[in-house]
Amino acid sequence: GAGVSQSPSNKVTEKGKDVELRCDPISGHTALYWYRQRLGQGLEFLIYFQGNSAPDKSGLPSDRFSAERTGESVSTLTIQRTQQEDSAVYLCASSLAKGRSYEQYFGPGTRLTVT
Amino acid sequence: ILNVEQSPQSLHVQEGDSTNFTCSFPSSNFYALHWYRWETAKSPEALFVMTLNGDEKKKGRISATLNTKEGYSYLYIKGSQPEDSATYLCAPTGTASKLTFGTGTRLQVTL
Repeated sequence: GAGVSQSPSNKVTEKGKDVELRCDPISGHTALYWYRQRLGQGLEFLIYFQGNSAPDKSGLPSDRFSAERTGESVSTLTIQRTQQEDSAVYLCASSLAKGRSYEQYFGPGTRLTVT
Repeated sequence: ILNVEQSPQSLHVQEGDSTNFTCSFPSSNFYALHWYRWETAKSPEALFVMTLNGDEKKKGRISATLNTKEGYSYLYIKGSQPEDSATYLCAPTGTASKLTFGTGTRLQVTL
């Protein structure tokens, strides 16, 4: 079946602009996660959603970052007034449920470059 | 869960060699340990999820063990092949469902 998809695959933007990244999870997966990897660093948790519960936003680095998800479908991650330190690969993952022992299935990522 | 450490940072082996890496994590508040493989230009792929002390899981030539009391997990690759070249990430979870990833072990297997 179809895996997690993300768009765009690459995005180059100027400092100060807003960007929106999209994630389509695997159908039937109720949990959705956003991560990022900056150059030379590990995968960093940003936010996760589980159904209609309040999202866990504890990983968002600043109030310029926000994310939305409608039900158990598409999610968008928005970065306002982008800064050069926002340059990273942004990965989305989904899993069958909000569970600490459920495998997460990752999308191909969006490479964001802020110039 | 913080302070996830993986070693070595990188490893270069020849085809046919067996190898292993370590993931260390705080043993308190532990619930599960995930291993992922991340090949260049691809998405991270789940290898194992382990929860019980003494767990051992195997997938083909790759296996993993878990010691929750002392806070470590080993990943073993038997008879490494070039297609095993990737970054191997571990991620423990605690009371929250989010994963805290280590920085990974980058494995390069050459002919």
